[in-house]
Amino acid sequence: AIQLTQSPSSLSASVGDRVTITCRASQGISSALAWYQQKPGKAPKLLIYGATNLDSGVPSRFSGSGSGTDFTLIISSLQPEDFAVYFCQHFNSYPVTFGGGTNVEIK
Amino acid sequence: EVQLVESGGSLVQPGGSLRLSCAASGFTFSSYEMNWVRQSPGKGLEWISYIRFSGDIKYYADSVKGRFIISRDNAKNTMYLLMSSLTVEDTAVYYCARDRWFGESQAFDIWGQGTMVTVSS
Repeated sequence: AIQLTQSPSSLSASVGDRVTITCRASQGISSALAWYQQKPGKAPKLLIYGATNLDSGVPSRFSGSGSGTDFTLIISSLQPEDFAVYFCQHFNSYPVTFGGGTNVEIK
Repeated sequence: EVQLVESGGSLVQPGGSLRLSCAASGFTFSSYEMNWVRQSPGKGLEWISYIRFSGDIKYYADSVKGRFIISRDNAKNTMYLLMSSLTVEDTAVYYCARDRWFGESQAFDIWGQGTMVTVSS
């Protein structure tokens, strides 16, 4: 199975900061990657699909890049509602595994 | 409103069985592939099973293969997960998720609120 390694596992940031989260696949997955945001006690919410495409209604401060094995989620200016856990997920083949998550905390 | 609602979670003893349901509304259920994903307390997300539109193709994670069975009833707009030989490691919130294709890209675009399964004696 393809493994996804996210880094960092957690980070502390302030409102307005630029935040970068990376996701590395154990083998090439082209652009078959999605990013999700999860808040405590809630289900994950889709942010980005196909590595770079913003889902409908997702603020433009979120962006995704990468292909092959290395991917990045960027929040250009962190807002109070963005403090959450972020997960990547590949869709290259089943099993469609998730990364371990990145907890974005308030500094 | 597009919605998925899970039910059936409860406290069950090790070795026991449980059936989860996922009721869909607000969209044409039979046109979408569906999945189950679980999350152990304080842990990450684990995909566990997939089912194709008509139910003819199913996939399972190794951790549940041979113990869990995914199914769907398109006439009832409902997906199921029959879980047997449960162990404490199966304790988790279980989510159903809609599998959507965006052209050549894929993602889980709609998730239920989750149902808690606790395996304990």
